[in-house]
Amino acid sequence: AQTVTQSQPEMSVQEAETVTLSCTYDTSESDYYLFWYKQPPSRQMILVIRQEAYKQQNATENRFSVNFQKAAKSFSLKISDSQLGDAAMYFCAYRSQGGNKLVFGAGTILRVKS
Amino acid sequence: DAGITQSPRHKVTETGTPVTLRCHQTENHRYMYWYRQDPGHGLRLIHYSYGVKDTDKGEVSDGYSVSRSKTEDFLLTLESATSSQTSVYFCATTPSGRAGYEQYFGPGTRLTVT
Repeated sequence: AQTVTQSQPEMSVQEAETVTLSCTYDTSESDYYLFWYKQPPSRQMILVIRQEAYKQQNATENRFSVNFQKAAKSFSLKISDSQLGDAAMYFCAYRSQGGNKLVFGAGTILRVKS
Repeated sequence: DAGITQSPRHKVTETGTPVTLRCHQTENHRYMYWYRQDPGHGLRLIHYSYGVKDTDKGEVSDGYSVSRSKTEDFLLTLESATSSQTSVYFCATTPSGRAGYEQYFGPGTRLTVT
């Protein structure tokens, strides 16, 4: 079974600075998808970014980018120019290419200081 | 955002009572999921559905049952609630086909079992 590990329970960043959240996963599959979800205090789960394993190019969405290292099974999220609105719980998630279920990590709380 | 609603949004119930949570979607998505969110565990899959009357168990299905009689509704039932089922419950949906690799989440239901 696949597992997803987020080793940082909590992180802090100064407004306008850059922060990187870590995620590692374990799988024997070669094709899969990886996601980062954001959960602000409202509890709503919001998709931040996704990465297809067959793509070597790292995904980017505005201030959010990933560092996808397939051989190392690592999928970190970089947030540039951090804003107060980025404060939230961030979840890393895995989905098999042939499946439709998500496996989540335990989450990382990100605090943004002004 | 996908039109996903959950009801109730908050519920307090006593140990041993039956509880039903409802998920309603207006997107005609084929797949629907129920997750529970607990500190230190992220989101864990309880049950999922891949069509009307077609359901299957997730990783934490003990004590829960589901039903899907219509495409738009997915019900989660706790037959006899226990304190260990105190949690936040999320419904999610995804359409079928290659485009359906993102899951869209409802707003969550906070359930407290006393």
